[in-house]
Amino acid sequence: DGGITQSPKYLFRKEGQNVTLSCEQNLNHDAMYWYRQDPGQGLRLIYYSQIVNDFQKGDIAEGYSVSREKKESFPLTVTSAQKNPTAFYLCASSPSGAGELFFGEGSRLTVL
Amino acid sequence: DAKTTQPPSMDCAEGRAANLPCNHSTISGNEYVYWYRQIHSQGPQYIIHGLKNNETNEMASLIITEDRKSSTLILPHATLRDTAVYYCIVTPGGTSYGKLTFGQGTILTVHP
Repeated sequence: DGGITQSPKYLFRKEGQNVTLSCEQNLNHDAMYWYRQDPGQGLRLIYYSQIVNDFQKGDIAEGYSVSREKKESFPLTVTSAQKNPTAFYLCASSPSGAGELFFGEGSRLTVL
Repeated sequence: DAKTTQPPSMDCAEGRAANLPCNHSTISGNEYVYWYRQIHSQGPQYIIHGLKNNETNEMASLIITEDRKSSTLILPHATLRDTAVYYCIVTPGGTSYGKLTFGQGTILTVHP
């Protein structure tokens, strides 16, 4: 079935360590996104990519990095510079320019 | 993006219609109204969207007022599985590239 796969679903890391969250889609969508969600809050955009080898900062990009070397993949690295990395991370994709996003099941990161 | 205002929570009896309101009084002529929902600890799910006309699909109906300053999402026969946070989002269509602003939404609780 077509969809978006995020891994891992749960991740625990020590403070100061970089962490990479995986996001893969087989929907042939051009655009991909990373959002962050904190408890009881809405989603905030971290990075987005409209096309391979190009990406843009969202509203809260500091302390995060991404790459888009393949259309299907958009990994997110949470670096040690991110002050409060514990959160629920959601990856999404969409046909180019559309507002209909398809989300993955999310990755819950806890920094100890 | 135009700001939206939703009630923080609503209740509905199972089998009855759930009517979720959204105010977007500053909406621009090229902005669409999108609805998503998020079941606890899962990624958001697209429900429906519209520009001016009322829309219906297998999940819900969207009623947009003539002046486009407000809309209502209708779940015609709510079930327990419809318990979720519902987000109303206003965004330009073709140029937004899915950069959606998710607020805190409405927590809908469907009771037996």
